[in-house]
Amino acid sequence: DVVMTQSPDSLAVSLGERATINCKSSQSVFYGSNNKNYLAWYQQKPGQPPKLLIYWASTRESGVPDRFSGSGSGTDFTLTISSLQAEDVAVYYCQQYYTTPRTFGQGTKVEIE
Amino acid sequence: QVRLQESGPGLVKTSETLSLTCSVSTASIRSYYWSWIRQPPGKGLEWIGNIYYSGSTNYNPSLKSRVTISVDRSKNQFSLKLTSVTAADTAVYYCAKDREVASSGAFDIWGQGTVVTVSS
Repeated sequence: DVVMTQSPDSLAVSLGERATINCKSSQSVFYGSNNKNYLAWYQQKPGQPPKLLIYWASTRESGVPDRFSGSGSGTDFTLTISSLQAEDVAVYYCQQYYTTPRTFGQGTKVEIE
Repeated sequence: QVRLQESGPGLVKTSETLSLTCSVSTASIRSYYWSWIRQPPGKGLEWIGNIYYSGSTNYNPSLKSRVTISVDRSKNQFSLKLTSVTAADTAVYYCAKDREVASSGAFDIWGQGTVVTVSS
């Protein structure tokens, strides 16, 4: 299985400040034939299903605010919230869809400082 | 907008079979991969397996011996069966759709989830 490891497990950020979450995969999720990284980011609020934020490592899903951005390639990826808003308090997960079983990171809880 | 709705018993007895169905509305089940994902209370997400509309399946090796996913194209539904359940199978079960047509993609549409409790 491809193991996805996120860091940190939790972070507290002041409103309007930047939040950065890292995700590392145990093997590359880059597919050279189409030049794509098979990596997604999700946001989950209490009592709700996860919501897709980013796919192909850096493509924002329709309707997702542009303060959310994804970067990285191969095995190392980052989700950045450029200016944290109160509604961004949630748990964030990375996930690889390069191979089965599809695997998720353990989650990073983002709170307001 | 595609909508997914899970249905099935909320309580299953230990050693019995968990059975859930996901109904797909406002879109055809054709041409996409459809997954089951679960989340134990207070924990992270675990992918159980998926099915293509043609019927081909992929399962998580950790559950493969107990899982069957099937599709009913006439009803625009797909289903999950998990046998010999224990308390460790207590979780919120989600169905989800791959974003990409006919290939692996991120999960762009999720059901609201259904809570399944395993108890004797």
